[in-house]
Amino acid sequence: DAKTTQPPSMDCAEGRAANLPCNHSTISGNEYVYWYRQIHSQGPQYIIHGLKNNETNEMASLIITEDRKSSTLILPHATLRDTAVYYCIVRVASTGFQKLVFGTGTRLLVSP
Amino acid sequence: DAGVIQSPRHEVTEMGQEVTLRCKPISGHNSLFWYRQTMMRGLELLIYFNNNVPIDDSGMPEDRFSAKMPNASFSTLKIQPSEPRDSAVYFCASSFPSETEQFFGPGTRLTVL
Repeated sequence: DAKTTQPPSMDCAEGRAANLPCNHSTISGNEYVYWYRQIHSQGPQYIIHGLKNNETNEMASLIITEDRKSSTLILPHATLRDTAVYYCIVRVASTGFQKLVFGTGTRLLVSP
Repeated sequence: DAGVIQSPRHEVTEMGQEVTLRCKPISGHNSLFWYRQTMMRGLELLIYFNNNVPIDDSGMPEDRFSAKMPNASFSTLKIQPSEPRDSAVYFCASSFPSETEQFFGPGTRLTVL
């Protein structure tokens, strides 16, 4: 199973872009990169996922390197409500369904 | 849509007592997941149901834990007897079979004294 490495914490000023890195050097060719976040006292929330191409949605952008060994989640204009723990997950296959294995994540603090 | 509904939101019980946590998935979702979150171990998958059938329960810690899904709109996670080390936040999540996105409930904070 591929594993991910994320910095334990990051800071960002409100209104600036937050760039959260993730290393997944042992990722397999058919494994996707998922990002979830967990705001304090809430359940995790899906953000975005991708295989090899860059992806963008209303919440964020996902940049995956060409060798797929790392990726970056970009929150283009961070707000105070984006303060959360962000999890980078490589989806592993188990018994016919895609299990999500959460690591320790990056604690992002957005300050005024 | 009300999202995934969990009850109770908070539960305080004494060691040895039976605890039942409840979950109502989003209507139309036929995959349901139970997770446990602690400071020490993070967020762990306990069990996964598809079409009301348990598919993978390898994360269930021991025989004191059991989960059921009697119909598509209801699931329970039972701990009997409960122990202090079971204190955690328990999350339920649901999704469509493609599982692009799992939708999590607000969680149940369990404290076993």
